[in-house]
Amino acid sequence: GAVVSQHPSRVICKSGTSVKIECRSLDFQATTMFWYRQFPKQSLMLMATSNEGSKATYEQGVEKDKFLINHASLTLSTLTVTSAHPEDSSFYICSAGGVAGASGNEQFFGPGTRLTVL
Amino acid sequence: EDKVVQSPLSLVVHEGDTVTLNCSYEVTNFRSLLWYKQEKKAPTFLFMLTSSGIEKKSGRLSSILDKKELFSILNITATQTGDSAVYLCAVNGGSNYKLTFGKGTLLTVNP
Repeated sequence: GAVVSQHPSRVICKSGTSVKIECRSLDFQATTMFWYRQFPKQSLMLMATSNEGSKATYEQGVEKDKFLINHASLTLSTLTVTSAHPEDSSFYICSAGGVAGASGNEQFFGPGTRLTVL
Repeated sequence: EDKVVQSPLSLVVHEGDTVTLNCSYEVTNFRSLLWYKQEKKAPTFLFMLTSSGIEKKSGRLSSILDKKELFSILNITATQTGDSAVYLCAVNGGSNYKLTFGKGTLLTVNP
C-alpha cells in the first residue's frame, strides 16, 4: 500500500519557537494532504486540507497564521507551528488522499509527530 | 455538520471473547465509512465500506454497513491481546476525501 512518512517523529522545543513538520508520500503522488491534531485520549481533529499548488483550507477554529501549511509538490506537505506555546503540544498526523490507483476515498496516514512545547 | 458517534467508548474483555464495536453517523453526502486501528502511533486502515449489507472480512475482523439506519459495526472474534487498541470510525461525507472521525473505542484485551 501507499506509504506516508513524517519527520521528525518527535520534537521538543521552547515556547516561542517555530517548528516545521514534513509529510512525504513515498513512491506515489497525492493530490490532497490532510493535517490532523490529536490530544491525549481524544480522536483525530482535522486542522486543514491542502491541495498541491493552492492555499490550504483550514477548519473552523484553526488559526491559519499560526499553523502554516505549504504543499509545494505532489509528494511533500509541511506544517509549521509558529511561535509555539505549551498548549500546542499534541500529536500531529498527516495523511494523503487522492492517491492514484486507490479507491478514491481512502486516506493513508503518516506515523505522526509528537510535539512537546516547554 | 457531519457527525460520527462510536460506542462503547471503552471496553475490557478477556482473550477469546468476541466484541462488537458500533459506529453511527450523520452526513450530508455519504460516500464511504472507514474503520482504523490506532495503537501508539497513527491509525492503520482496516476497512472501507460503501454499500449496505456487504460484509468485509479480514481474518478475525469483519465489518458491515447499514446505510438505511446509518450505522456500521466492527466485529472481532477470538480476541487476542494484540487487538488492544483504539478503533476509529470515520466517514467521508463530501468531496476532497475529507474524513470526520468518531472519538474511538478503546479496546483492552486481557490475557
